[in-house]
Amino acid sequence: DGGITQSPKYLFRKEGQNVTLSCEQNLNHDAMYWYRQDPGQGLRLIYYSQIVNDFQKGDIAEGYSVSREKKESFPLTVTSAQKNPTAFYLCASSQSGPWDEQFFGPGTRLTVL
Amino acid sequence: SQQGEEDPQALSIQEGENATMNCSYKTSINNLQWYRQNSGRGLVHLILIRSNEREKHSGRLRVTLDTSKKSSSLLITASRAADTASYFCATDFGNQFYFGTGTSLTVIP
Repeated sequence: DGGITQSPKYLFRKEGQNVTLSCEQNLNHDAMYWYRQDPGQGLRLIYYSQIVNDFQKGDIAEGYSVSREKKESFPLTVTSAQKNPTAFYLCASSQSGPWDEQFFGPGTRLTVL
Repeated sequence: SQQGEEDPQALSIQEGENATMNCSYKTSINNLQWYRQNSGRGLVHLILIRSNEREKHSGRLRVTLDTSKKSSSLLITASRAADTASYFCATDFGNQFYFGTGTSLTVIP
């Protein structure tokens, strides 16, 4: 059953805490992405990676960090430096790059208390 | 700055009617894609149209691309209640890509 998974579905965090969102894919895709979506808004790119051990900042990378140690995994850490982290976070993957069809996970809804 | 902007922001139609939504962008693109998002879910890819193509069909979906006007339209024919969702265009140019702000479609049974 191929696809892309994100966990957890809902996440609550206290102010000042770092939190890591998981993203795993078994589609053998080279490229992976993290997006943030605020209510009624479109998707904004946080980070993307086209190859293992390499990644690029998107439009809103401040306060976030990523790693790409394995092809199938692209975890996102929301640090305490992110001023307004409450949002819906979406992970996606594609064969080679953004010009390919992107496959999305179900998302993680992060709420900062 | 955002590359793709959808119009209208919201659209409400009766089941069986056609729905048309538009996407405008600012710079020359390589490809334009349309995605659908059901409430609280991830996005699902609908169709990709390349810059040298003018029209593509997929089932009840018809996408057109006018590179001279830097715009694309998505037509959903004979709409169903299950088509209720948000629809986003995504454009890529050079090494950059953007999603638009989306059109929220409501199909009333």
